[in-house]
Amino acid sequence: GAVVSQHPSRVICKSGTSVKIECRSLDFQATTMFWYRQFPKQSLMLMATSNEGSKATYEQGVEKDKFLINHASLTLSTLTVTSAHPEDSSFYICSAGTGAIITEAFFGQGTRLTVV
Amino acid sequence: GDSVTQMEGPVTLSEEAFLTINCTYTATGYPSLFWYVQYPGEGLQLLLKATKADDKGSNKGFEATYRKETTSFHLEKGSVQVSDSAVYFCALWVQAGTALIFGKGTTLSVSS
Repeated sequence: GAVVSQHPSRVICKSGTSVKIECRSLDFQATTMFWYRQFPKQSLMLMATSNEGSKATYEQGVEKDKFLINHASLTLSTLTVTSAHPEDSSFYICSAGTGAIITEAFFGQGTRLTVV
Repeated sequence: GDSVTQMEGPVTLSEEAFLTINCTYTATGYPSLFWYVQYPGEGLQLLLKATKADDKGSNKGFEATYRKETTSFHLEKGSVQVSDSAVYFCALWVQAGTALIFGKGTTLSVSS
């Protein structure tokens, strides 16, 4: 199956700093990428949908100025958590879709963000 | 709106026991259905899928059948192993360009 690589897998940052998470599709072109957030022992909450070359579409309640998403190429999308605070600590997961017909979504390994 | 409902966990079983995790859905149109598995500290892995009614997805001894009449996609395994301990997510996909819709997840714990 297709491979989605997400980095870093774990990051610890100080409160007030920004953190960038990368999501790369290694062997296919991902026209659409999705960013999810997962709280402990809970399901995945969709944060935003990004299409290559256009602005991301954010779900209701997600601060677009805090969670900056860039999808500049067909193989790379980034999520930047700006001015991070302890409540932003979470598990972030990206997934990529291949074109208009998605028969499955391919997921990155996830990033455990801890803000201290 | 479209949604997925999974049975509440945790599910605790002994090795070699039979597993069923119930999943029902609500969707317009004809969704594709998926089961994903998440091991501790890791991302999601596709376990199996079915794209139309009466399809059976299977992988690693797990099976699920797409039942349109009952809007269900229950996950089953005849004999679980300790290594099957993980969180299982049922999901559906409805439309091109949209994200998967996930159930809340069911934690499975298998003891030897």
